[in-house]
Amino acid sequence: KNQVEQSPQSLIILEGKNCTLQCNYTVSPFSNLRWYKQDTGRGPVSLTIMTFSENTKSNGRYTATLDADTKQSSLHITASQLSDSASYICVVSRSNDYKLSFGAGTTVTVRA
Amino acid sequence: GAVVSQHPSWVICKSGTSVKIECRSLDFQATTMFWYRQFPKQSLMLMATSNEGSKATYEQGVEKDKFLINHASLTLSTLTVTSAHPEDSSFYICSASLAGGPLTDTQYFGPGTRLTVL
Repeated sequence: KNQVEQSPQSLIILEGKNCTLQCNYTVSPFSNLRWYKQDTGRGPVSLTIMTFSENTKSNGRYTATLDADTKQSSLHITASQLSDSASYICVVSRSNDYKLSFGAGTTVTVRA
Repeated sequence: GAVVSQHPSWVICKSGTSVKIECRSLDFQATTMFWYRQFPKQSLMLMATSNEGSKATYEQGVEKDKFLINHASLTLSTLTVTSAHPEDSSFYICSASLAGGPLTDTQYFGPGTRLTVL
């Protein structure tokens, strides 16, 4: 079954601190993995995308890693800001069709 | 680039009425558009895939007669929730794909539409 598991389900961090979110997947055959940020009541916005051959991808204070062998990915947020408070969703796509497999998301709350 | 809009952003309706939600790709042509539903604290769930000029493909468990999808042009897809009931209250999100065809996976998401059925 094509699944995407994210952890933790939620976390609270102080402004300025770093945090790392985890994503494990069983989707196959693998095409790419994306991390999205979804603000409350808004649609997801793409942060990073990584294909099989890419190990890391950065977008400002967001850095994603991918280990295609262990089927694990992480999203690291550096020097968190209040605006980072959102749900972060790991999405994996298969190479044989167009469908996306979504993780349940990690809700990040940044407090001053 | 690759902006997708939805209208309305939120809607409240009475039980039994029908509601239409529009999804537009503003600066690109989208051969394929997708409709998702998201309940609170849950992941996005694909409802259907619509290709311009053809009938939509619905996911298992999604009633095609209740959720009518029309993809009349390369920039517009509509989702009509017919005879809405309170259990249809949800956040509906569309996405559009830059390139058409079964192997595409580049989807750009709209901002979502919050539907509340009283």
